[in-house]
Amino acid sequence: SYEVTQPVSVSVALGQTASITCGGNDIGDKNVQWYQQKPGQAPVLIIYRDNIRPSGIPERFSGSNSGNKATLTISRAQADDEADYFCQVWDTNTVVFGSETKVTVL
Amino acid sequence: EVQLVQSGAEFKKPGESLRISCQGSGDSFTKFWIGWVRQRPGKGLEWMGFIYPFDSDTRYSPSFQGRVTISADKSIGAVYLQWSSLQPSDTGTFYCARAPIPVDPHFDYWGQGTQVTVSS
Repeated sequence: SYEVTQPVSVSVALGQTASITCGGNDIGDKNVQWYQQKPGQAPVLIIYRDNIRPSGIPERFSGSNSGNKATLTISRAQADDEADYFCQVWDTNTVVFGSETKVTVL
Repeated sequence: EVQLVQSGAEFKKPGESLRISCQGSGDSFTKFWIGWVRQRPGKGLEWMGFIYPFDSDTRYSPSFQGRVTISADKSIGAVYLQWSSLQPSDTGTFYCARAPIPVDPHFDYWGQGTQVTVSS
């Protein structure tokens, strides 16, 4: 089965840029989604099809995907961005989620 | 506004059955797929399957096929997740989520989650 790999944690200084990776074999050939989840809340879709932001998601969130790595970039990080982030792909008729990356804003 | 409202927390003993629900409104149910996602304590998200309430076409993750049943009642805008014999390993939070398409999907709206605890 297809596996995607995320770092366990990422730290970013307030106002700086954070990058969260999602690694997988030829993941660049797949559509990648990103979700944000805060404690006690449901996940929220923040990026779909690699780089499309749903309505209401700040432009500070962006995505890219190429080769064996997809990346979620959080620009000008704010305290409110502190959360868990998951990537998600589709492979062999199955939805695959990455394990969460905990983002800490310092 | 799209809203998915799930049933409340459940506390069950091993071997018991359970059905939890996800209620939507209007187009959020008739024209979209509704999926179920499990989140166990300290673990990530796991897709269980989804259903198209209009005709009850259902797709399961191989990991959950045969272990749960997903069903729908389009007349009342409800989707269900059912277990016939719960095990402690079924403990977790279960989310319903809307997917525009069943192939290469993304989940654009989520329910608030239902906590299920299975313990003797």
